[in-house]
Amino acid sequence: EAEVAQSPRYKITEKSQAVAFWCDPISGHATLYWYRQILGQGPELLVQFQDESVVDDSQLPKDRFSAERLKGVDSTLKIQPAELGDSAMYLCASSSTAQPPYEQYFGPGTRLTVT
Amino acid sequence: RKEVEQDPGPFNVPEGATVAFNCTYSNSASQSFFWYRQDCRKEPKLLMSVYSSGNEDGRFTAQLNRASQYISLLIRDSKLSDSATYLCVVNRRYGGATNKLIFGTGTLLAVQP
Repeated sequence: EAEVAQSPRYKITEKSQAVAFWCDPISGHATLYWYRQILGQGPELLVQFQDESVVDDSQLPKDRFSAERLKGVDSTLKIQPAELGDSAMYLCASSSTAQPPYEQYFGPGTRLTVT
Repeated sequence: RKEVEQDPGPFNVPEGATVAFNCTYSNSASQSFFWYRQDCRKEPKLLMSVYSSGNEDGRFTAQLNRASQYISLLIRDSKLSDSATYLCVVNRRYGGATNKLIFGTGTLLAVQP
Protein backbone atom coordinates (compact mmCIF):
# COMPACT_ATOMS: atom_id res chain seq x y z
CA GLU A 1 0.00 0.00 0.00
CA ALA A 2 1.36 3.43 -0.98
CA GLU A 3 2.26 5.68 1.93
CA VAL A 4 3.20 9.27 2.64
CA ALA A 5 6.83 9.46 3.74
CA GLN A 6 8.15 12.01 6.21
CA SER A 7 11.54 12.67 7.72
CA PRO A 8 12.89 13.04 10.26
CA ARG A 9 10.50 11.26 12.60
CA TYR A 10 11.82 13.14 15.62
CA LYS A 11 13.69 16.41 15.91
CA ILE A 12 15.00 18.20 18.97
CA THR A 13 16.30 21.68 18.43
CA GLU A 14 17.16 24.71 20.48
CA LYS A 15 15.09 27.86 20.17
CA SER A 16 16.33 30.30 17.55
CA GLN A 17 17.73 27.46 15.45
CA ALA A 18 16.47 26.54 11.98
CA VAL A 19 14.71 23.25 11.34
CA ALA A 20 13.38 21.59 8.19
CA PHE A 21 10.97 18.75 7.56
CA TRP A 22 10.54 16.74 4.39
CA CYS A 23 7.50 15.02 2.91
CA ASP A 24 7.02 12.72 -0.09
CA PRO A 25 3.32 12.23 -0.88
CA ILE A 26 1.66 9.20 -2.39
CA SER A 27 2.60 8.97 -6.06
CA GLY A 28 0.11 10.79 -8.26
CA HIS A 29 -1.46 12.81 -5.47
CA ALA A 30 -1.56 16.40 -6.67
CA THR A 31 -2.61 17.94 -3.36
CA LEU A 32 -0.23 18.10 -0.43
CA TYR A 33 -0.92 19.47 3.03
CA TRP A 34 1.18 20.39 6.04
CA TYR A 35 -0.56 20.31 9.41
CA ARG A 36 0.53 21.10 12.94
CA GLN A 37 -0.95 19.12 15.81
CA ILE A 38 -0.47 20.28 19.36
CA LEU A 39 -1.01 17.64 22.04
CA GLY A 40 -4.69 17.27 22.89
CA GLN A 41 -5.90 19.08 19.79
CA GLY A 42 -6.81 18.13 16.26
CA PRO A 43 -4.48 18.84 13.34
CA GLU A 44 -4.58 22.40 12.01
CA LEU A 45 -3.73 23.18 8.40
CA LEU A 46 -0.61 25.27 7.87
CA VAL A 47 -0.31 25.16 4.09
CA GLN A 48 -1.90 23.41 1.13
CA PHE A 49 -0.33 22.86 -2.28
CA GLN A 50 -2.00 21.97 -5.54
CA ASP A 51 0.89 20.63 -7.62
CA GLU A 52 3.62 23.24 -7.05
CA SER A 53 1.28 26.13 -6.22
CA VAL A 54 0.24 27.26 -2.77
CA VAL A 55 -3.55 27.40 -2.57
CA ASP A 56 -3.88 28.15 1.14
CA ASP A 57 -1.25 29.40 3.55
CA SER A 58 -3.54 31.62 5.61
CA GLN A 59 -2.59 29.87 8.86
CA LEU A 60 1.15 29.71 8.17
CA PRO A 61 3.17 32.08 10.41
CA LYS A 62 5.05 33.56 7.51
CA ASP A 63 7.52 35.49 9.60
CA ARG A 64 9.19 32.22 10.56
CA PHE A 65 7.66 29.40 8.52
CA SER A 66 8.15 28.67 4.85
CA ALA A 67 7.07 25.82 2.63
CA GLU A 68 7.89 24.82 -0.89
CA ARG A 69 7.02 22.11 -3.39
CA LEU A 70 9.24 23.08 -6.27
CA LYS A 71 8.52 20.24 -8.70
CA GLY A 72 5.06 19.47 -7.50
CA VAL A 73 6.10 16.22 -5.85
CA ASP A 74 7.93 16.29 -2.51
CA SER A 75 7.83 19.23 -0.14
CA THR A 76 9.85 20.92 2.57
CA LEU A 77 8.57 22.87 5.56
CA LYS A 78 11.07 25.12 7.30
CA ILE A 79 11.00 27.01 10.58
CA GLN A 80 13.53 29.74 11.24
CA PRO A 81 13.97 30.65 14.01
CA ALA A 82 12.24 27.98 16.05
CA GLU A 83 10.38 29.05 19.18
CA LEU A 84 9.34 27.06 22.24
CA GLY A 85 5.70 27.22 21.13
CA ASP A 86 6.54 25.42 17.89
CA SER A 87 6.88 22.13 19.75
CA ALA A 88 4.26 19.89 18.15
CA MET A 89 3.70 17.07 15.68
CA TYR A 90 4.05 18.21 12.06
CA LEU A 91 1.98 16.06 9.77
CA CYS A 92 2.05 15.86 6.01
CA ALA A 93 -0.91 14.52 4.08
CA SER A 94 -1.79 14.04 0.45
CA SER A 95 -4.92 13.49 -1.54
CA SER A 96 -6.15 12.83 -5.02
CA THR A 97 -8.71 15.35 -6.15
CA ALA A 98 -9.92 13.14 -8.93
CA GLN A 99 -13.24 12.62 -7.19
CA PRO A 100 -14.99 13.42 -3.91
CA PRO A 101 -14.86 13.08 -0.97
CA TYR A 102 -11.20 14.11 -1.06
CA GLU A 103 -9.91 11.69 1.53
CA GLN A 104 -6.50 12.60 2.87
CA TYR A 105 -3.72 10.18 3.73
CA PHE A 106 -1.29 11.16 6.45
CA GLY A 107 2.38 10.44 6.91
CA PRO A 108 3.80 9.31 10.28
CA GLY A 109 4.65 12.89 11.24
CA THR A 110 7.70 14.67 12.60
CA ARG A 111 7.62 15.26 16.33
CA LEU A 112 9.44 18.52 17.04
CA THR A 113 10.69 19.50 20.47
CA VAL A 114 12.13 22.98 20.88
CA THR A 115 14.23 23.48 24.02
CA ARG B 1 -16.77 28.69 18.97
CA LYS B 2 -14.85 25.99 17.10
CA GLU B 3 -16.03 25.03 13.65
CA VAL B 4 -16.11 21.34 14.61
CA GLU B 5 -16.96 20.44 18.20
CA GLN B 6 -16.60 17.11 19.94
CA ASP B 7 -16.78 15.89 23.52
CA PRO B 8 -13.10 15.26 24.37
CA GLY B 9 -13.95 12.40 26.74
CA PRO B 10 -12.36 10.23 27.87
CA PHE B 11 -14.95 7.54 27.36
CA ASN B 12 -14.04 4.55 29.51
CA VAL B 13 -16.10 1.53 28.50
CA PRO B 14 -15.85 -2.23 29.14
CA GLU B 15 -15.14 -4.67 26.35
CA GLY B 16 -18.29 -5.55 24.46
CA ALA B 17 -20.02 -2.25 25.20
CA THR B 18 -21.65 -0.03 22.63
CA VAL B 19 -20.37 3.53 22.57
CA ALA B 20 -21.51 6.58 20.63
CA PHE B 21 -19.61 9.73 19.76
CA ASN B 22 -21.25 12.94 18.66
CA CYS B 23 -19.95 15.88 16.72
CA THR B 24 -21.44 19.17 15.54
CA TYR B 25 -20.19 21.50 12.85
CA SER B 26 -21.02 25.14 12.39
CA ASN B 27 -20.35 25.86 8.72
CA SER B 28 -23.23 24.87 6.47
CA ALA B 29 -20.85 25.00 3.48
CA SER B 30 -19.27 21.78 4.71
CA GLN B 31 -19.56 19.20 2.00
CA SER B 32 -18.17 15.89 3.10
CA PHE B 33 -17.60 14.30 6.43
CA PHE B 34 -15.28 11.74 7.93
CA TRP B 35 -14.26 9.97 11.07
CA TYR B 36 -10.53 9.52 11.53
CA ARG B 37 -8.86 7.37 14.15
CA GLN B 38 -5.61 8.39 15.80
CA ASP B 39 -3.62 6.07 18.03
CA CYS B 40 -1.40 7.59 20.70
CA ARG B 41 1.53 9.45 19.12
CA LYS B 42 0.63 8.20 15.63
CA GLU B 43 -0.82 9.84 12.55
CA PRO B 44 -4.57 10.10 11.94
CA LYS B 45 -6.00 7.40 9.69
CA LEU B 46 -9.27 7.49 7.85
CA LEU B 47 -11.82 5.28 9.60
CA MET B 48 -14.82 5.96 7.41
CA SER B 49 -16.62 8.56 5.37
CA VAL B 50 -20.03 9.67 6.53
CA TYR B 51 -23.02 9.94 4.23
CA SER B 52 -26.48 11.38 4.72
CA SER B 53 -27.99 7.96 4.20
CA GLY B 54 -25.85 6.57 7.00
CA ASN B 55 -23.21 3.93 6.46
CA GLU B 56 -21.92 0.91 8.26
CA ASP B 57 -18.57 -0.85 8.25
CA GLY B 58 -18.61 -3.93 10.43
CA ARG B 59 -19.06 -2.81 14.03
CA PHE B 60 -18.94 0.88 13.08
CA THR B 61 -21.93 2.95 12.00
CA ALA B 62 -21.75 6.60 11.00
CA GLN B 63 -24.66 8.99 10.60
CA LEU B 64 -24.97 12.51 9.24
CA ASN B 65 -27.83 14.94 9.85
CA ARG B 66 -27.27 17.94 7.58
CA ALA B 67 -30.27 19.84 8.91
CA SER B 68 -28.92 19.68 12.47
CA GLN B 69 -25.26 19.78 11.34
CA TYR B 70 -24.62 16.75 13.46
CA ILE B 71 -22.44 13.69 12.89
CA SER B 72 -22.28 10.53 14.95
CA LEU B 73 -20.20 7.37 15.21
CA LEU B 74 -21.46 4.22 16.89
CA ILE B 75 -19.12 1.40 17.84
CA ARG B 76 -20.72 -1.90 18.77
CA ASP B 77 -19.08 -4.76 20.68
CA SER B 78 -16.06 -2.64 21.65
CA LYS B 79 -12.64 -4.30 21.50
CA LEU B 80 -9.50 -3.39 23.39
CA SER B 81 -7.97 -2.49 20.03
CA ASP B 82 -10.63 0.22 19.53
CA SER B 83 -8.89 2.33 22.19
CA ALA B 84 -7.80 5.50 20.38
CA THR B 85 -8.81 9.09 19.72
CA TYR B 86 -11.63 9.51 17.23
CA LEU B 87 -11.49 12.71 15.21
CA CYS B 88 -14.57 14.20 13.60
CA VAL B 89 -13.61 15.87 10.34
CA VAL B 90 -15.51 18.02 7.86
CA ASN B 91 -14.41 19.01 4.38
CA ARG B 92 -15.31 22.52 3.33
CA ARG B 93 -14.98 23.94 -0.14
CA TYR B 94 -13.87 27.54 -0.46
CA GLY B 95 -12.28 29.80 -3.04
CA GLY B 96 -13.56 27.83 -6.02
CA ALA B 97 -11.93 24.43 -6.20
CA THR B 98 -10.05 24.47 -2.90
CA ASN B 99 -11.05 22.02 -0.20
CA LYS B 100 -10.07 22.18 3.44
CA LEU B 101 -10.36 19.58 6.18
CA ILE B 102 -11.40 20.93 9.56
CA PHE B 103 -10.65 18.62 12.47
CA GLY B 104 -12.36 18.40 15.81
CA THR B 105 -10.21 18.03 18.90
CA GLY B 106 -11.00 14.33 19.07
CA THR B 107 -12.74 12.05 21.54
CA LEU B 108 -10.58 9.66 23.54
CA LEU B 109 -11.91 6.12 23.89
CA ALA B 110 -10.43 3.69 26.40
CA VAL B 111 -11.84 0.17 26.27
CA GLN B 112 -11.24 -1.68 29.51
CA PRO B 113 -10.79 -5.48 29.83
